[in-house]
Amino acid sequence: GQQLNQSPQSMFIQEGEDVSMNCTSSSIFNTWLWYKQDPGEGPVLLIALYKAGELTSNGRLTAQFGITRKDSFLNISASIPSDVGIYFCAGQGYGNKLVFGAGTILRVKS
Amino acid sequence: DVKVTQSSRYLVKRTGEKVFLECVQDMDHENMFWYRQDPGLGLRLIYFSYDVKMKEKGDIPEGYSVSREKKERFSLILESASTNQTSMYLCASSPWVGLVRPGELFFGEGSRLTVL
Repeated sequence: GQQLNQSPQSMFIQEGEDVSMNCTSSSIFNTWLWYKQDPGEGPVLLIALYKAGELTSNGRLTAQFGITRKDSFLNISASIPSDVGIYFCAGQGYGNKLVFGAGTILRVKS
Repeated sequence: DVKVTQSSRYLVKRTGEKVFLECVQDMDHENMFWYRQDPGLGLRLIYFSYDVKMKEKGDIPEGYSVSREKKERFSLILESASTNQTSMYLCASSPWVGLVRPGELFFGEGSRLTVL
């Protein structure tokens, strides 16, 4: 089946630093999504992207839909302790099924 | 707010036992999903359902079955639990595409199953 390569696997950064993570795929997607999972909770949608080249922000988060439709990145500016968690990218082709990346574990040092 | 409730946060079962994981959503969503989450593997789709009494296999259905007798309830069944089914199980729901942004799933808090 389709697979997404998400990197990095984990990050340990200082509070206040900017963070960048990305996903790549061998397949074309029509939608790219970024979810965050807080410890002990289910994932929650952060940003959804529907058009190649689209750049969308949600507070300190910015995500882009790659022009080739095979990649996406998520940036977090000025990280704070509550940014800790697991960030998942997900791609959606035709139909209703999502393909998820393996996740990026973010840990922030105060 | 959309609420997806999973019946058990933590379960410990023995090999060979039958296991039921229950999920209820309160927003009249048509679509419901069961995912399995393992470190380094992300979320993998086990089964999903677009309507009552309807089910479709996801990417890893082996060893699992599902039941959707009512619109709000989607159950995951492990007929004979095995140690390799130790994992976090996440239920999710969504309305028909077009009513919300495509791909927006609403997840429950997860059920962590340990099979000894």
